[in-house]
Amino acid sequence: SQKIEQNSEALNIQEGKTATLTCNYTNYSPAYLQWYRQDPGRGPVFLLLIRENEKEKRKERLKVTFDTTLKQSLFHITASQPADSATYLCALEVSGGYNKLIFGAGTRLAVHP
Amino acid sequence: NAGVTQTPKFRVLKTGQSMTLLCAQDMNHEYMYWYRQDPGMGLRLIHYSVGEGTTAKGEVPDGYNVSRLKKQNFLLGLESAAPSQTSVYFCASMRAGGGTDTQYFGPGTRLTVL
Repeated sequence: SQKIEQNSEALNIQEGKTATLTCNYTNYSPAYLQWYRQDPGRGPVFLLLIRENEKEKRKERLKVTFDTTLKQSLFHITASQPADSATYLCALEVSGGYNKLIFGAGTRLAVHP
Repeated sequence: NAGVTQTPKFRVLKTGQSMTLLCAQDMNHEYMYWYRQDPGMGLRLIHYSVGEGTTAKGEVPDGYNVSRLKKQNFLLGLESAAPSQTSVYFCASMRAGGGTDTQYFGPGTRLTVL
């Protein structure tokens, strides 16, 4: 069955540094991958989508890479700010259509002033 | 635009009791989903709907039923609650037409079954 792994340990970084989060998957070749942000007590909020034929996608301070050979996506936040502190979820589309997604457990990011 | 709303925000049930969670969206989306989120685990899909009057099973459908009588509403029912159903439940909706769109999530319902 499809499996997604995100680093379960929290990532602590200093303000201004680049945060890099990892998403690894097995037993599947998704057509696209999404990243969501989740704040405590709230629902996930969509950040970026990258397709299997795209190597890299950028949006402001965010960058996502997608390596279908390694079955891995990296999520970067440059010039990080304390307001970036949240849990970041990786999600893969599941076969069968209708944008069904399988989610990783998420990685908590803490950006310290 | 309220987006996706969920009712109630919190609920405590005793084992064996029943309840219905309501999800409403005002974006005229075709697709709607119910997920549960447990500590250390990713969101898991319970049931989903691709249009008014349709429902389908997701990854963890046992113990739950759903209905989509109106396009804007998606109801999740627990007929006989069990402690294993203690979780945070999220509803999401999406515009039909392909996988390049995003799912919009509600704020969640925290359910505790004693």
